[in-house]
Amino acid sequence: ETGVTQTPRHLVMGMTNKKSLKCEQHLGHNAMYWYKQSAKKPLELMFVYNFKEQTENNSVPSRFSPECPNSSHLFLHLHTLQPEDSALYLCASSQDFGDNTEAFFGQGTRLTVV
Amino acid sequence: AQKVTQAQTEISVVEKEDVTLDCVYETRDTTYYLFWYKQPPSGELVFLIRRNSFDEQNEISGRYSWNFQKSTSSFNFTITASQVVDSAVYFCALSEVGWSTGFQKLVFGTGTRLLVSP
Repeated sequence: ETGVTQTPRHLVMGMTNKKSLKCEQHLGHNAMYWYKQSAKKPLELMFVYNFKEQTENNSVPSRFSPECPNSSHLFLHLHTLQPEDSALYLCASSQDFGDNTEAFFGQGTRLTVV
Repeated sequence: AQKVTQAQTEISVVEKEDVTLDCVYETRDTTYYLFWYKQPPSGELVFLIRRNSFDEQNEISGRYSWNFQKSTSSFNFTITASQVVDSAVYFCALSEVGWSTGFQKLVFGTGTRLLVSP
C-alpha cells in the first residue's frame, strides 16, 4: 500500500464511450502525475499537476482530459479513444520542499479499448 | 534531452544467484536524480532508491546494492542471493532537479524483467 489509490483497476471501453479514471492520494503531497505504460515502451509522462495547477502536458491528445479538483484527487477523463490507447495508466504523487522526493505510484488502471 | 537505457530486456536466474541490472543514462544537466523502481505483477511501481548526482557513494540495503559511476553514466543495481519474490520488472529513471518547479519529471528506461526460478 503506497498511499496512492487508483480506480477502477480494470476498464474495458468502446471507442465511443466516455469514462473517467480516478486517483486519490493520502500522503499530503502537492504534485500529482499521470503516466502511460504501453507494452515494450518506456513509461510516458502525460500530465503533471502542482498545487492543483496543470504544469505539464506532454503533447497528449485531447481525447485525454485531466482534472485536479484538489491536491488529493486527480482524474483522467477519456472520450473517443483509439485501440492504441490501451495501456496501463499509472497515477503518482510526490512532495517537494526545495528538494526532490521520490514519487509514489498507484497500482494503475489497465485500460482496454475495443 | 534526457534518456535512460536498460539494455537487458529480460534476465532469468535461479534462486540464490546474484544478478546485476544495468542502467545507462544521458543528460546535459549537472544536477539530477537517479531512481530504481520495482514493478511486481500487481502493477504499482515500488520505490527502491534515489541517488543525487553529487553522491557517488555506492549503497547497500540488505540484498540490494547500487553502483553509481558518473564517469560512465551508469547506475547499476545488484541483487545478491536472489529470491523468487524478486521476480518483477525493474525500472531505472532519471529526474531533473526542479528547484523552482516543485515536481519531478521522471524519464524511465524500458525496464528489465527479472525472472527468478526456484
